[in-house]
Amino acid sequence: NAGVTQTPKFQVLKTGQSMTLQCAQDMNHEYMSWYRQDPGMGLRLIHYSVGAGITDQGEVPNGYNVSRSTTEDFPLRLLSAAPSQTSVYFCASSFLQGNTEAFFGQGTRLTVV
Amino acid sequence: TQLLEQSPQFLSIQEGENLTVYCNSSSVFSSLQWYRQEPGEGPVLLVTVVTGGEVKKLKRLTFQFGDARKDSSLHITAAQPGDTGLYLCAATTSSGYALNFGKGTSLLVTP
Repeated sequence: NAGVTQTPKFQVLKTGQSMTLQCAQDMNHEYMSWYRQDPGMGLRLIHYSVGAGITDQGEVPNGYNVSRSTTEDFPLRLLSAAPSQTSVYFCASSFLQGNTEAFFGQGTRLTVV
Repeated sequence: TQLLEQSPQFLSIQEGENLTVYCNSSSVFSSLQWYRQEPGEGPVLLVTVVTGGEVKKLKRLTFQFGDARKDSSLHITAAQPGDTGLYLCAATTSSGYALNFGKGTSLLVTP
């Protein structure tokens, strides 16, 4: 049981480049989300999805796009990378109902130079 | 955004000491969760508290949900180096789906 898998684990981008961070879960969770974690800022929600075809913005959505074509996958796209997007990105998934546990991937450490 | 304030931000103690970390808000929550995150890893759930005044124990960790369901505390008895990590509290937003996190308490336990 793989849980939540994120790829890549590390990435260096040049300013202006675009890329997609991949996230896949095999637990049949309806809810998936993306967070960024910066020193002293905790985990901040970027985008989330409550099911295939349904996405919504979180606290810090600017500069990021998401789509949810399947239950399993929830990719995060950086349209034009900026140094301010240097961060550690975490994908999480959970069942939709009630106070359920969120399962996190191991994170993607992104550096934009 | 419902703000979750955690204190202290950093805590460095010696093995065997006791400690308490806090999670406070002006909002009322239907439930609150505590996660622990180790370096290079994603957060892992420790406990979910639901009822006001509820106390849950997980070995040497004791979690309490405030009577008014606006705050929570985590008490660790006889801390060990393996307790080192970032402790995060989280609560569901008003949308009912997304989790908001506090900024966390970074705990270092030295032998």
